[in-house]
Amino acid sequence: AQTVTQSQPEMSVQEAETVTLSCTYDTSESDYYLFWYKQPPSRQMILVIRQEAYKQQNATENRFSVNFQKAAKSFSLKISDSQLGDAAMYFCAYRRRNNDMRFGAGTRLTVKP
Amino acid sequence: EAGVVQSPRYKIIEKKQPVAFWCNPISGHNTLYWYRQNLGQGPELLIRYENEEAVDDSQLPKDRFSAERLKGVDSTLKIQPAELGDSAVYLCASSFAGGPLYEQFFGPGTRLTVL
Repeated sequence: AQTVTQSQPEMSVQEAETVTLSCTYDTSESDYYLFWYKQPPSRQMILVIRQEAYKQQNATENRFSVNFQKAAKSFSLKISDSQLGDAAMYFCAYRRRNNDMRFGAGTRLTVKP
Repeated sequence: EAGVVQSPRYKIIEKKQPVAFWCNPISGHNTLYWYRQNLGQGPELLIRYENEEAVDDSQLPKDRFSAERLKGVDSTLKIQPAELGDSAVYLCASSFAGGPLYEQFFGPGTRLTVL
């Protein structure tokens, strides 16, 4: 079974600084997709960034970027120039082609002013 | 474009009572998901619909949980009878098969408290 592990239950970062959230996953598949979702206190899950496993180039979305290491099965999220609005739970997720998505336990990010 | 709509946002019931949650997906999205999110954990899939058909309900506790998606649009998730361990947030999500990477769009969830 595919599992997703987020080893950092909580992280904190100073406003305007950079923080990296870790995620590892276990799979025997070669074709899959990886996602980072943000869940603020309002509970609405919002997609932050996605990565196709067949692409070697790391995905980037404005201040958010990933470090995808396929061989190591690692998918970390880097948030640059952190803002107060970035404070939330962040979930790493893995999905096979048949839509079966698995989430990690989440990392709670605190941004200090 | 309206997002995924869920109601109610909060529900408090006594154990052994029934409860139902409603979800209206994004217009045109043929795939609908129900997830359960326990406190401090990530969402776990309960059931996935492709149009009207439940294609993955392996994690749905069928002795007390049921779901339906009539006409392939709205969906209802029911628990009868509720147990203390059912307290959680129930999330609905939808996706379009032709969309980028089958991106899932989530609703705000229903927080269920069973007393």
